[in-house]
Amino acid sequence: AQKVTQAQTEISVVEKEDVTLDCVYETRDTTYYLFWYKQPPSGELVFLIRRNSFDEQNEISGRYSWNFQKSTSSFNFTITASQVVDSAVYFCALSGRYFGNEKLTFGTGTRLTIIP
Amino acid sequence: SAVISQKPSRDICQRGTSLTIQCQVDSQVTMMFWYRQQPGQSLTLIATANQGSEATYESGFVIDKFPISRPNLTFSTLTVSNMSPEDSSIYLCSVWTGPGYTFGSGTRLTVV
Repeated sequence: AQKVTQAQTEISVVEKEDVTLDCVYETRDTTYYLFWYKQPPSGELVFLIRRNSFDEQNEISGRYSWNFQKSTSSFNFTITASQVVDSAVYFCALSGRYFGNEKLTFGTGTRLTIIP
Repeated sequence: SAVISQKPSRDICQRGTSLTIQCQVDSQVTMMFWYRQQPGQSLTLIATANQGSEATYESGFVIDKFPISRPNLTFSTLTVSNMSPEDSSIYLCSVWTGPGYTFGSGTRLTVV
């Protein structure tokens, strides 16, 4: 069975600070896919990134970066120089090899509050 | 990526009644997924809907309570039947269009 753990329920940081959201996953699949989604107060789910299990390169997109470590089954998300607009609930999710044709298993989410 | 139109966006319903939620996708997709997000909780898959076949339900969800229609490759409905206050949640549909799954804007359901 697949499982995603986001141990941080809520995080608050002052604007411009860096913040890292942790994600630990469990799966028996050798091929799998990891995702991060943002859910702002308006409620919609916004796709941020997909990472394949066979690609351990870290990725950076503007102020966002992701650190994928297979050895520790972790896929952490860092926001650099946080802004108030980053306030949202962030979900880490996992899909098996048939991504696109199978469900996402979500973590419980981390509520991030950026204090101006 | 695809655009999903989901409606209604919210509703307040009396217990014992039913509500049908619609999702329209602007492109053809093989599978559509229906999720439930209970207040302050994560997303849980209700069922997967393939066009031309019966939906596949996750453990804890049954067709009598959550019947799903998938008449074509761009449209699906989820009905929440015989509602109780415990059904108060956000219901979301989702499709894969690469590079990630796209979600509808959600239906915020309150049962009173």
